[in-house]
Amino acid sequence: GQQVMQIPQYQHVQEGEDFTTYCNSSTTLSNIQWYKQRPGGHPVFLIQLVKSGEVKKQKRLTFQFGEAKKNSSLHITATQTTDVGTYFCAGPFGSNTGKLIFGQGTTLQVKP
Amino acid sequence: GAVVSQHPSRVICKSGTSVKIECRSLDFQATTMFWYRQFPKQSLMLMATSNEGSKATYEQGVEKDKFLINHASLTLSTLTVTSAHPEDSSFYICSASGQGVSNYGYTFGSGTRLTVV
Repeated sequence: GQQVMQIPQYQHVQEGEDFTTYCNSSTTLSNIQWYKQRPGGHPVFLIQLVKSGEVKKQKRLTFQFGEAKKNSSLHITATQTTDVGTYFCAGPFGSNTGKLIFGQGTTLQVKP
Repeated sequence: GAVVSQHPSRVICKSGTSVKIECRSLDFQATTMFWYRQFPKQSLMLMATSNEGSKATYEQGVEKDKFLINHASLTLSTLTVTSAHPEDSSFYICSASGQGVSNYGYTFGSGTRLTVV
């Protein structure tokens, strides 16, 4: 069945270091979404990528969608303690169902 | 922006009892709501999709008689965990899409942490 794999599962960085999480889908995706979940919280939508090779930036966060629309990455430059949380990628599941299939998530810990 | 309110945020119940979780869209009409469960340090697993006025569709392996979903109005969906057992303890989260909501991204409720003792 359709799968979305995300690595690494955990990442510990020193504040100021960069961080990247990678997402790979077993199928071509029409779009990919990224969510952030703070400890004890709920997922919050960050961004959606639609076009092949698309790159979007949100301040220190850079999101990329692969040319084949099967992989994506989130890169954070100069991490801060406020970046702590779990980052999930998610892609559409099925055809026009509105459902999302989530990656396993990457939990980021930032040491001050 | 779109807001989804979920209650209760935490509930502790005795084994064998039922628990109802509510999810309300506050400023838009949620034609579709999705219910997820999340175990500690794991990802979100889709349980079911509910469409206003029709029966919910459940994902493979989810017992529809145990997890009752009702979506009677465009602003309210409920999930009832019937005859709860300790293995049902989890974090349950709803998300919604619908009219008036940006097509980019889904809005999640704040989640309900269920503990069955």
